[in-house]
Formats: sequence, structure tokens, C-alpha cells
Amino acid sequence: KNQVEQSPQSLIILEGKNCTLQCNYTVSPFSNLRWYKQDTGRGPVSLTIMTFSENTKSNGRYTATLDADTKQSSLHITASQLSDSASYICVVSANDYKLSFGAGTTVTVRA
Amino acid sequence: NAGVMQNPRHLVRRRGQEARLRCSPMKGHSHVYWYRQLPEEGLKFMVYLQKENIIDESGMPKERFSAEFPKEGPSILRIQQVVRGDSAAYFCASSPERNYGYTFGSGTRLTVV
Repeated sequence: KNQVEQSPQSLIILEGKNCTLQCNYTVSPFSNLRWYKQDTGRGPVSLTIMTFSENTKSNGRYTATLDADTKQSSLHITASQLSDSASYICVVSANDYKLSFGAGTTVTVRA
Repeated sequence: NAGVMQNPRHLVRRRGQEARLRCSPMKGHSHVYWYRQLPEEGLKFMVYLQKENIIDESGMPKERFSAEFPKEGPSILRIQQVVRGDSAAYFCASSPERNYGYTFGSGTRLTVV
């Protein structure tokens, strides 16, 4: 069964600090891994997408890493802002159109 | 380009009624996907459609649920005789090609009372 596990389930950080979110997956075969940001009451918005051959990708203050051998990914948020408060979802795609979603990590940034 | 438009944003139905959820894909996108998100859970795949065709409905309950994507107009997810367990957020995504360039809508939150 294709699974995507994320940790921690939630975290609280102070504005300006950094944080790292983790994602482990068992999806096979592997096509790509995406990180999405989902604000409360909104649909997921893509932050990064990485294929098998990529091990890091950045989008502004967001940097994602991928280790396809250990099937692990991380999302690092640098210099957090209040607007970063959201759920961050790890999504893995096999060689088809079905995306396997993690349950998300809820990040709360406090002033 | 207004993105993927879903309506209504919130829908309340009594048990036994029908719920119709609409999704207008982004301009130029002919692939539509429906996902369901239960509280505290990740999104789960329901159905994948191209214009006038259901490609994969393996994630959809066998009874009461149906989906269509007609030649003209939005994609419709229909839930007949709703039950409390159908209460969830239903998200639609579209893409210009299969498994590439997904864009999600803001979802429809269905509450069955």
C-alpha cells in the first residue's frame, strides 16, 4: 500500500526562526515528490516538485530535499513569517496520475 | 486565468438529499481529478476524468457517487442520498497533461446534517 508519513504532526515556531518538516514514503514506483502549502479553507498550492534525479529544490525561503534511496524528503523553511502558518503536505506520485497525500504538518508561526 | 473554480464553497445538505459539486478547470486543462479530505486526514483520490470520459473511478464509493466532465461546462461530482459520513472537503484539480501541472481549487465543504 502506498503511504506517505509526515512528522511532526504540528509545530509552533517564533517568527524569524527556521524549521524542518519530514516526509517518509513507501510509494512505488516513484515518479515525483511534491510539497504543497494549504492555508485553512483553501486548496493546496504547489511549493516544489522533485523527480528521482533531483535531491534539492528551492522556492524562495522554502527548500526541499529528497533522498530517493531512503525514501525520505524534508522541507526547510528559513526565516519564518506569520504568513507561513499553514499545513504543509508531502505528496508522492507513482508512475500514474494518482497522488498519495500525507496528512500534513500544521505550522504555526507566532510573533 | 482565474484558476480552478469550485462552487459552492460551502454546501449543507440534510441526510437523504443530493449534493452536486461543480468544478471548472483552468483554461486549457482537459484533465480533472477529484479528491476528498476528511478531517485530520490527507486528501484521497476519488476519480480522474478527461473530457466526456471517466479514466479512473477506483477511489469513488461504488454507490451513490458519480462524476462527469461533459464536453461543455464544468465537471460535476454528484452524491445521492447523502449520509453524515459524506461530510468532508472535496477538492478538484486540473492539469493540461496527465500527471503534470496539477492546480487545485479551493474546495467545497460539504456538511450533512
